[in-house]
Amino acid sequence: GNSVTQMEGPVTLSEEAFLTINCTYTATGYPSLFWYVQYPGEGLQLLLKATKADDKGSNKGFEATYRKETTSFHLEKGSVQVSDSAVYFCALSDKTGTASKLTFGTGTRLQVTL
Amino acid sequence: DTAVSQTPKYLVTQMGNDKSIKCEQNLGHDTMYWYKQDSKKFLKIMFSYNNKELIINETVPNRFSPKSPDKAHLNLHINSLELGDSAVYFCASSHPSAYEQYFGPGTRLTVT
Repeated sequence: GNSVTQMEGPVTLSEEAFLTINCTYTATGYPSLFWYVQYPGEGLQLLLKATKADDKGSNKGFEATYRKETTSFHLEKGSVQVSDSAVYFCALSDKTGTASKLTFGTGTRLQVTL
Repeated sequence: DTAVSQTPKYLVTQMGNDKSIKCEQNLGHDTMYWYKQDSKKFLKIMFSYNNKELIINETVPNRFSPKSPDKAHLNLHINSLELGDSAVYFCASSHPSAYEQYFGPGTRLTVT
């Protein structure tokens, strides 16, 4: 079956540091890949997506590239802010007819300090 | 306007009770989902409906019964609540031709 593996957290960084959160996946076929973010006490927000190999998703300074050869979709940001503190989930989508079933990683908590 | 909304936001109840969580989306999507997030933040799909028809039914106890009165609403009814049902339940929706899903704010269920 499909699975997503994320690096264990928490990740603690100083403001303006470079962020990498690793994500690898196992899937049959060619899934779409996503990063979702969950701020404290809130629901999940779609951060970025990539639907095919070599696609780069980007939003709010975050980027991730769909690497089919390494089955990876690592999240990066050049300069994190305190407001980026949240839990980040890597996910893949396996479309079944009209429904897309998301398989999530375990989440990585990011804490950014001043 | 809230895209995907859930009520209630918090639900505290005793073991053995029956409770419902409601979800509504105003995005015009045809497909809706329920996910469960456990205490370790792990998210797992429970159900999916497309235009009132059950599409995905993961291995979930029969005590959980989703109901979709129309394509904009998907409710979750839970019978005979158990301690292990304590979790955050998220509703989501998507367009049939798209892969991304949009999530509601979650309902934190606590069973005592």
